[in-house]
Parts: sequence; structure tokens; C-alpha cells
Amino acid sequence: EPEVTQTPSHQVTQMGQEVILRCVPISNHLYFYWYRQILGQKVEFLVSFYNNEISEKSEIFDDQFSVERPDGSNFTLKIRSTKLEDSAMYFCASSGTSRDTQYFGPGTRLTVL
Amino acid sequence: GENVEQHPSTLSVQEGDSAVIKCTYSDSASNYFPWYKQELGKGPQLIIDIRSNVGEKKDQRIAVTLNKTAKHFSLHITETQPEDSAVYFCAAKDNFNKFYFGSGTKLNVKP
Repeated sequence: EPEVTQTPSHQVTQMGQEVILRCVPISNHLYFYWYRQILGQKVEFLVSFYNNEISEKSEIFDDQFSVERPDGSNFTLKIRSTKLEDSAMYFCASSGTSRDTQYFGPGTRLTVL
Repeated sequence: GENVEQHPSTLSVQEGDSAVIKCTYSDSASNYFPWYKQELGKGPQLIIDIRSNVGEKKDQRIAVTLNKTAKHFSLHITETQPEDSAVYFCAAKDNFNKFYFGSGTKLNVKP
């Protein structure tokens, strides 16, 4: 069964550094998403991406965040200058023609020191 | 914006019993309500969903009910098994295609 994959599973970085989280969505999917979950808190929507552009974003998704689909398979989330409060689990998801049915990856745990 | 509340935060049941998890939402325009199961080390997995034009949906041992007037929806698991043990999340999608999640329920099914 096809699945969403994410790398790395755990990323440790110093405050102020840039990080790129990588996702490979399911191959024929059209919509791509990033969510984050701070430890002990709710899963929060960050951004959705369709047809090579952002379709929706939350207030969390400020100028320090960016997303890209650099080729036909990868979908990345870049955090430009990490802060301690960016420490969280980041989930990528994708959906196909049934846009609402989202398939989640296993997540990347980001730790900012 | 939308706010989804989920109860209880933990639920312990005996194998074979039923489990019910409840969520409320605030935005009456929300129109799609999925439920996810998250096992340790994995991402959320969609297990059942319901749209705002339907009151109930069932899939084998799992059912979801929606009360639009009261703005709440519930997940029902019957004949629980140890492999049902996981964290369950409800979510609501608003008119802007943004998803809002509940805080999760840790279900423990005791053999």
C-alpha cells in the first residue's frame, strides 16, 4: 500500500539555524500539507499546497516558513531561522482527487537547542 | 476560527466493551469531520469520516455520529480489541479547507 514518507525521523538543530524537513507524498496525489504537534498539544495545520503554490496557510506559517516541491516527488518545509518554540513533531500529509482524505507520514521530530 | 474540543483525554475499557469518544466544534460552517488513529511512532491514520449532510456512518465495529444542531460528533468502537489501543483524534474542516484537531484520546483496551 502506498504511503507518505518523511526524512529525517529526528532532527536536532541549534537555535537560529535553518532546517529543511523532507516528505515524499503518495505518487499520484495532488494536495500536500504540513502540520505540527508541539508535545502535549493539538495537531495544528500549517499550510496546504496545490498546483505548485500555497492554497491555504495558518497564522503560524509566517515568513520564517516556506514550502517547496522541488521535483516531481519531494515536498519540503523549510524553517529559516529556528527558535526554541519550533521544537515539535512535523507531519506531512497528502491527498488525491478526494481532497479531504489525507494520508499522513510518520512525522519528523524537530528539536531546537 | 474553529475550535475543536475532545473528551475524554484517556479512556480505559475492558476487551469486548464499547468505547465512545466525543468532540465538539464551534464553527457551524465546518462541513467534514474525520477521525484518526495514531499508533506509537506513526502518523495519524484516517479510520472513518462524516460529512455535514449525514447524521451517522458505520464501518464494521466503528461508527461516527454527528449532531449539527449541537455541534458535536462522536466515535463509537464496539467489541473493542487490544489492537484498538492507540491515540484517537477528531478533526473538523472549515469552509477554508483548514483542518482543526482535537487534543486526542488515549484509548487503552485491557485484555
